[in-house]
Parts: sequence; C-alpha cells; structure tokens
Amino acid sequence: QLQLQESGPGLVKPSETLSLTCTVSGASFSNNNYYWGWIRQPPGKGLEWIGSLSSGGTTYYNPSLTSRVTLSVDTSKNQFSLIWTSVHAADTALYYCARSEVWGSSPKRSFDSWGQGILVTVSS
Amino acid sequence: DIQMTQSPSTLSASVGDSVSITCRATQTIGSWLAWYQQKPGKAPKLLIYKASNLETGVPSRFSGSASGTEFTLTISSLQPDDFATYYCQQYHSYTYTFGQGTKLEIK
Repeated sequence: QLQLQESGPGLVKPSETLSLTCTVSGASFSNNNYYWGWIRQPPGKGLEWIGSLSSGGTTYYNPSLTSRVTLSVDTSKNQFSLIWTSVHAADTALYYCARSEVWGSSPKRSFDSWGQGILVTVSS
Repeated sequence: DIQMTQSPSTLSASVGDSVSITCRATQTIGSWLAWYQQKPGKAPKLLIYKASNLETGVPSRFSGSASGTEFTLTISSLQPDDFATYYCQQYHSYTYTFGQGTKLEIK
C-alpha cells in the first residue's frame, strides 16, 4: 500500500530557507505515469498547489510561487524534496506531499494519495 | 492561469438531504476536474476524478457532473460522516488549481 511521509523542521525563521522531504513507500517511485506534488494549507484556509515533479526530475510550478520554490527528486531514496527560500510569516502552513497519475491509459490527473502533512511555522 | 470559483462557501443541510456544490473554471479544462473531502486535521480525500468518475471505495451517494466549464458535486441522502469541507481541483497543462472550498455544516 502506497504511503507518503513528510519530514522537515516545524519552525523556521523569517527570511530563512525551508527544506521539506517526502518519502514514498509501498509502490514504485519510478513509474513514469505518476507525478509527485506539494500542496500547502495555511491554518483555517484552503488548499494551494505548490508544484509537482516526475521521478525523472521534470518540474512544474504554481506560476504565482515559482520564484522561491525548487523541487528535486532522489530516486535512490524514493524521496522528493521542496526547497522554499526566504520564507515569510504568510508561508506558515500545513504542507502535504501527494501523488497524481498524469499519464497512462486512463489517468486521473488528481491527487489520489496524500501524506499526513507537516505543520511549518514561520516565526522568529 | 486558470481560476476556479467554488460555491457556496458554506452550506447547511440535514441528514438525509441532497446537496450540490458547484465549481466554475475560467477557461475550458475538458473533464479534468476532481473533488475532495477534507475533515479537520486530516489530509484531503479524493472522491471524484475526471469530473464524474467515483474513486474506489467512495460511496455511490457522491456523484459528479459537468457542463462546459461548470462542474457539480452532488451528495444524495447526506450521512453524518459527510459533514466536512469539499474542494474542487482542476488540471490543465501540468498545473493544478483548487477551489476555495465549501464547508458543509449540519443544520
């Protein structure tokens, strides 16, 4: 059974860099039909897609966020990561990693598996 | 960028009622529209994908439909477990956008 688990710091200071990792287990991470994404949710607010990438490293970003965000993948560890530079208090949110089937005979192009989320607070 | 306008933002209903939530896209997205249910403290759960396809394990009282750029999630015969927040999500050209969410409350 597919499992995704976010890891990283729970507290980051303003202007610093946030680094989060998602570890995938229970399924092939290198299946090219799937893209792996990050979604965030500020406390009490809605969902915002940050970006997605393939196991081969092809990346796609939310155009409104792309200047501070970088996604990367480490297939040897079945992990993908989010780097967010110069964080602000407004970046305080629950950060989720999730899987989306983009290609194949009948892709869903939606997030069918999610991690439990990691709360990141930006505060001095 | 494609924007999704979801309505209503809040919906009050009783157990046994039938309710509908609507999402409208700012441009054509074909059928690439999904619906999620989220409960407090939990990750969203996929209910419907490709506008009208029920995810495995989701009760058949959930259904989705589409008409052009307008998409509807209908929940028939509401159960106590259905009171939650619902989000739509579109996919277009490798990018995703979520609607603002609809909180379904018990009347």
